[in-house]
Amino acid sequence: AQSVTQPDIHITVSEGASLELRCNYSYGATPYLFWYVQSPGQGLQLLLKYFSGDTLVQGIKGFEAEFKRSQSSFNLRKPSVHWSDAAEYFCAGSMDSSYKLIFGSGTRLLVRP
Amino acid sequence: DSGVTQTPKHLITATGQRVTLRCSPRSGDLSVYWYQQSLDQGLQFLIQYYNGEERAKGNILERFSAQQFPDLHSELNLSSLELGDSALYFCASSVSSGGLSDNEQFFGPGTRLTVL
Repeated sequence: AQSVTQPDIHITVSEGASLELRCNYSYGATPYLFWYVQSPGQGLQLLLKYFSGDTLVQGIKGFEAEFKRSQSSFNLRKPSVHWSDAAEYFCAGSMDSSYKLIFGSGTRLLVRP
Repeated sequence: DSGVTQTPKHLITATGQRVTLRCSPRSGDLSVYWYQQSLDQGLQFLIQYYNGEERAKGNILERFSAQQFPDLHSELNLSSLELGDSALYFCASSVSSGGLSDNEQFFGPGTRLTVL
């Protein structure tokens, strides 16, 4: 079955520290992959997406993600976290012609001052 | 602002009742997707419409139905409401003209449904 897994429910980092949020997928073939961010009480904003080609993808707000086929992973990274990055982050995949999104369970990021 | 609008923002109702959630996609987008976000189920795909026709169905209950109108806005109808239907309901839209990048989904702010 198609699935997206985010193994970390919560992550706490200090402001200015680097960040890596993990995402693994299980599909028959390489899916289209996305990272979304949800701030409290807000909708979902797309950070970045991977369809094909270069496996290192740059997104908004200084985020990047690397697709690794051998590890079935699409981890999100940021070199220096800001307090405003505190939010919930969702990894999602899309594999069929409907392009519906299958979401991971989310990782809540807390930023220490 | 994604360009996708959803009304109402909040809805409080009682068990057994019926409600309608409305979504207006971005200008030019033909596809509308509905998702449910709840504490126990997370974010789940419910249903997709493309240019007025149902295209894909997910974990949508039989008590729930949706449609997309000629002006491309969509409504999600929830009936015989139960406590467990309390959730945030998101609508997303995409161009869906066939190109990969045309299927990027833009999400509305959601409708928070509380069933008492």
